[in-house]
Amino acid sequence: AQKVTQAQTEISVVEKEDVTLDCVYETRDTTYYLFWYKQPPSGELVFLIRRNSFDEQNEISGRYSWNFQKSTSSFNFTITASQVVDSAVYFCALSGAHNTDKLIFGTGTRLQVFP
Amino acid sequence: KAGVTQTPRYLIKTRGQQVTLSCSPISGHRSVSWYQQTPGQGLQFLFEYFSETQRNKGNFPGRFSGRQFSNSRSEMNVSTLELGDSALYLCASSLVVSGDITDTQYFGPGTRLTVL
Repeated sequence: AQKVTQAQTEISVVEKEDVTLDCVYETRDTTYYLFWYKQPPSGELVFLIRRNSFDEQNEISGRYSWNFQKSTSSFNFTITASQVVDSAVYFCALSGAHNTDKLIFGTGTRLQVFP
Repeated sequence: KAGVTQTPRYLIKTRGQQVTLSCSPISGHRSVSWYQQTPGQGLQFLFEYFSETQRNKGNFPGRFSGRQFSNSRSEMNVSTLELGDSALYLCASSLVVSGDITDTQYFGPGTRLTVL
């Protein structure tokens, strides 16, 4: 069965601190996709990144970076120099290789960035 | 390009009533999925539609149903509402260009349903 674990329920940091959100996944598929979404208080899930299981290169987008390690089944997300606007709930999700496959979400990590 | 839109944004119903939620996908997107989000169960998949056909279904009772129209707009219906149906219902659309490759799902703002 597929499963996503986000062990950190809530993280609080002060602005400009770096913060890493952990994501560990389980799947028997050899081809799969991993995602991160941000959910601000408004409720909409905002897409951040999509990664397939064959691409282990780390990715950087501005202050955001992602570390994908198949050996440890982890797909961690780091925010550098956090800002108050980064305050939200962040979800890691897993999907199979077929476009009929659903997203399996973790329980989310609530990030609070204080000024 | 406009994002996924959902109407209404908020709904208050009483037990036993039924409700219909609407979702308009991003222009050109052909697949629509629905998710339920509650504090206790988190984000759970309800069903997915493509070309007016339900291709995948989550583990929800038959009171939850949906459909998709020829313009890819989708509706979901919940009959005989229960208190536990109170949740944020999120709709997501994806492109499905070709083949069988997983596409990114883009989410709407959700409909917050409260059952009294």
